Amino acid sequence: KNEVEQSPQNLTAQEGEFITINCSYSVGISALHWLQQHPGGGIVSLFMLSSGKKKHGRLIATINIQEKHSSLHITASHPRDSAVYICAVRVQLGRSGGGADGLTFGKGTHLIIQP
Amino acid sequence: KAGVTQTPRYLIKTRGQQVTLSCSPISGHRSVSWYQQTPGQGLQFLFEYFSETQRNKGNFPGRFSGRQFSNSRSEMNVSTLELGDSALYLCASSLARQGDYGYTFGSGTRLTVV
Repeated sequence: KNEVEQSPQNLTAQEGEFITINCSYSVGISALHWLQQHPGGGIVSLFMLSSGKKKHGRLIATINIQEKHSSLHITASHPRDSAVYICAVRVQLGRSGGGADGLTFGKGTHLIIQP
Repeated sequence: KAGVTQTPRYLIKTRGQQVTLSCSPISGHRSVSWYQQTPGQGLQFLFEYFSETQRNKGNFPGRFSGRQFSNSRSEMNVSTLELGDSALYLCASSLARQGDYGYTFGSGTRLTVV
């Protein structure tokens, strides 16, 4: 079972819609990251969260540590927001199970915003 | 300010060969981590280096290795290449260990093994 689950896997929406992408994880974490990947492979780090909420432009990220859940919201979506959004967690040291203390990634959400 | 530079961008190798990929972090960043991305497995953590020492390692065979130099530049090496090693290899740099101040990713090296 993947330690990081994202939903939905694919999302197509119209320009201007409010977008929500969800991420659930099953292990204790020290931080959660939201990443954006465009075709061609380049990855941009959007947010790093350990608690609460962060906002940057039209993007908002929230995390609920008790429920092991995070959401990424996009307001007034635009075709240039079309990308893969990836949730990644930094597992707490000593609790990684497989021995790796690096980032553990979700499978990503493929978002398409149509004009 | 220059970003994270990965070279080469594209590489084609034959099964059984070895390959070395390079990553130059943002100036002042001391931590470099490496990741493999494939369509089937998605992104997976390979290893992390800080101050020339490997700090963490993912669940990859010993054919995958790396190192970090005193100028924080890092290389990863894959020996005895297999078809399944075909992937996009990404590195990311951060100011401190464990990405405490976030990560900046390079554009990746796309490796094809034939």
